[in-house]
Amino acid sequence: TQLLEQSPQFLSIQEGENLTVYCNSSSVFSSLQWYRQEPGEGPVLLVTVVTGGEVKKLKRLTFQFGDARKDSSLHITAAQPGDTGLYLCAGDGAGGTSYGKLTFGQGTILTVHP
Amino acid sequence: GAGVSQSPRYKVTKRGQDVALRCDPISGHVSLYWYRQALGQGPEFLTYFNYEAQQDKSGLPNDRFSAERPEGSISTLTIQRTEQRDSAMYRCASTAGYSSYNEQFFGPGTRLTVL
Repeated sequence: TQLLEQSPQFLSIQEGENLTVYCNSSSVFSSLQWYRQEPGEGPVLLVTVVTGGEVKKLKRLTFQFGDARKDSSLHITAAQPGDTGLYLCAGDGAGGTSYGKLTFGQGTILTVHP
Repeated sequence: GAGVSQSPRYKVTKRGQDVALRCDPISGHVSLYWYRQALGQGPEFLTYFNYEAQQDKSGLPNDRFSAERPEGSISTLTIQRTEQRDSAMYRCASTAGYSSYNEQFFGPGTRLTVL
């Protein structure tokens, strides 16, 4: 059983479209991170959300942390081919502990076609 | 200086052989993590260290897997008597501190293939 469920697993869209990736769990996390990974590279941190209900914006990317700190979403506006990659959510501190041991979701493979 | 480095980048071995995978974290980083990642999937936690102390090894699949970080810097993940199911990408990551809010910096990984 996956602690963090990501959806969708695959997303193929045209340049200029909007999209949302979801990350859901039955566990409460002390923080949640979103990473982006390109082929042949390691994941690179995009954002960390800590407070329930928190919204963070990074240019065309908007990240939300659910009020109960069990779920999160990543919304991309006007997607570009350069956004193509594997997007990963990762939760820390499941069950109330907080010590840097991340639990990753399965990932969402995003392809943006020109 | 440079980011996290791992060596070798590719390792092909025969079933039953032992392999040692090396991770060089960012200089001064306190915590070091080992993950295994299948293609197109999220990393799966194996073990982690704060300085030289192994804090959690609950993700190691079985007792053929071990890891050490004797001087609190470089770490080695050893797999004894390799099996084909051990084939995977092995990644390490390091963080400057050991709270949950520290960014994990990932290395390029070692692709292990067991024939």
